[in-house]
Amino acid sequence: AQSVTQLGSHVSVSEGALVLLRCNYSSSVPPYLFWYVQYPNQGLQLLLKYTSAATLVKGINGFEAEFKKSETSFHLTKPSAHMRDAAEYFCAVSEGQAGTALIFGKGTTLSVSS
Amino acid sequence: NAGVTQTPKFQVLKTGQSMTLQCAQDMNHNSMYWYRQDPGMGLRLIYYSASEGTTDKGEVPNGYNVSRLNKREFSLRLESAAPSQTSVYFCASSEFRQGVNSGANVLTFGAGSRLTVL
Repeated sequence: AQSVTQLGSHVSVSEGALVLLRCNYSSSVPPYLFWYVQYPNQGLQLLLKYTSAATLVKGINGFEAEFKKSETSFHLTKPSAHMRDAAEYFCAVSEGQAGTALIFGKGTTLSVSS
Repeated sequence: NAGVTQTPKFQVLKTGQSMTLQCAQDMNHNSMYWYRQDPGMGLRLIYYSASEGTTDKGEVPNGYNVSRLNKREFSLRLESAAPSQTSVYFCASSEFRQGVNSGANVLTFGAGSRLTVL
């Protein structure tokens, strides 16, 4: 069965600092991997996705993630945090079959201080 | 630009009451999903419908029923609400596409429905 583990339920950084949100996955087949962001009182928005085309994936708002098969990881990074990046971030995995639901991690709340 | 529309946005129920959460999408997607979100638990899949006419249980289906009314609409029903069903519910839809740089089952989410059961 597929699963996702997000290390750290809460990450705090200063504005301008590096953001690193960790995600490890477990999958018996080559996975599709996603990062979603949820701003307060809103639904989830797609940040980026890995579909095997390239191991380094660039998303919206300056975020990127690198797929490392040997480490079963898909960590999310951003070189310089902005106040507007404060949100909850979810890593998710899919088998990539038609109609297959995403399996989500428990989420990491990112706080950004000035 | 509607995407996925959920109603109602807020609902308060008493234990034992029933209600239906409605979801509709206008993107002609084949697949639809219901998740619940609880603090510290992330999103957990309740039910999903891979295509019109099919439904399947997810991780936490107990206490819920679903109906895929047509390609656009997927409703979630609580027959006898319990306080443990207090949560934020999200509907989502997707269209799987093959090939390099495919959509790879990207889910589009609604804004959520906040349900409180007293």
